[in-house]
Amino acid sequence: ETGVTQSPTHLIKTRGQQVTLRCSSQSGHNTVSWYQQALGQGPQFIFQYYREEENGRGNFPPRFSGLQFPNYSSELNVNALELDDSALYLCASSLGVGLPYEQYFGPGTRLTVT
Amino acid sequence: DQQVKQNSPSLSVQEGRISILNCDYTNSMFDYFLWYKKYPAEGPTFLISISSIKDKNEDGRFTVFLNKSAKHLSLHIVPSQPGDSAVYFCAAMGRGSQGNLIFGKGTKLSVKP
Repeated sequence: ETGVTQSPTHLIKTRGQQVTLRCSSQSGHNTVSWYQQALGQGPQFIFQYYREEENGRGNFPPRFSGLQFPNYSSELNVNALELDDSALYLCASSLGVGLPYEQYFGPGTRLTVT
Repeated sequence: DQQVKQNSPSLSVQEGRISILNCDYTNSMFDYFLWYKKYPAEGPTFLISISSIKDKNEDGRFTVFLNKSAKHLSLHIVPSQPGDSAVYFCAAMGRGSQGNLIFGKGTKLSVKP
């Protein structure tokens, strides 16, 4: 069984641009959550997708959006990038929503906005 | 306003001794707590958890203690090993939540041989 993978590993974008980050969940995991980890901070919940529908959202503006596909892959899209969007973006997949399902994290994508 | 606080950014411990990592929370609606370990260039990995109906959970060298009245939990690692050197995150989950985790800022543990 492969773990959670994310691509790309690193990315540099310019302010105002758009970016798409990708996540491949573990097989059978119908739930994916995305987190933003700024430097020196803990991961912060962006949103969750369950069976291809958004299932909860943290305190992030609408320019952060996502998609989840039937093949256990998902995307995080960020429009109109700002300097403060520079962070490590983590996805986590699980077999279901909430307890008792453990979340398995990918290694993250480090985004730098200049 | 941080709901989960890890006030020690770093901790250094000698191999074989006990490591104690602390975490405080402010939201009384949290009813499940987790500890994650993170190595550089890897995602956080689940370590141990505790439900608010318990005050202790043990798994091998790792024990988590929960003091609900003080809104405080701690992770004890005994004995500490150099391979335990990592960043440890405390996380909380609210009653009825959809599984979104509220993380602290993390504590970097260094275990010296």
